[in-house]
Amino acid sequence: AQKITQTQPGMFVQEKEAVTLDCTYDTSDPSYGLFWYKQPSSGEMIFLIYQGSYDQQNATEGRYSLNFQKARKSANLVISASQLGDSAMYFCAMRPGISGYSTLTFGKGTMLLVSP
Amino acid sequence: NAGVTQTPKFRILKIGQSMTLQCAQDMNHNYMYWYRQDPGMGLKLIYYSVGAGITDKGEVPNGYNVSRSTTEDFPLRLELAAPSQTSVYFCASSLSPGQGARENIQYFGAGTRLSVL
Repeated sequence: AQKITQTQPGMFVQEKEAVTLDCTYDTSDPSYGLFWYKQPSSGEMIFLIYQGSYDQQNATEGRYSLNFQKARKSANLVISASQLGDSAMYFCAMRPGISGYSTLTFGKGTMLLVSP
Repeated sequence: NAGVTQTPKFRILKIGQSMTLQCAQDMNHNYMYWYRQDPGMGLKLIYYSVGAGITDKGEVPNGYNVSRSTTEDFPLRLELAAPSQTSVYFCASSLSPGQGARENIQYFGAGTRLSVL
């Protein structure tokens, strides 16, 4: 069975600072995909970044980067230069296997609050 | 671009009533999914479909039914609504999962907030 653990229920950061949201995962599959989604107060789920287990480099998307440490089974999201609009719930998710159907397992989320 | 469209956005049901949550996508995605999100929790998969005419159960299918007659539409049916089905429901879609990032991303609708009283 797959499991995603997000140990930080809430995080506070000041505007323009960087913040790291933690995510650890557990799977026996040799290949898998890792995702981060953002859920603002309006409720929609917004895809942020994806990392494949065999990708050689850590994924980056604008101000978002994924600190992927395969041996430690961690996939932390780093947000650089935080903005007020980054205040939201952030979910880490994993998909075992990289082809065919498999379940996307979500963590319980981390609430990020960005202050001026 | 519309992406994934869910209707309605909000609904209140009485215990025992039935309703259908609508989901449509215009990205020509083969895979579609229904999730529920309970307060303070991540998402749990209810049902999924890998193409028109093909559906299968996810983690929490009891009390729900789905159909997939077209590539675009994937409605979720609640029969005999119960208070335990009070939740936010998300529909998502993706390409057929593969080795690249693009194939694996699931795109979500805005959600339907359902209360059963």
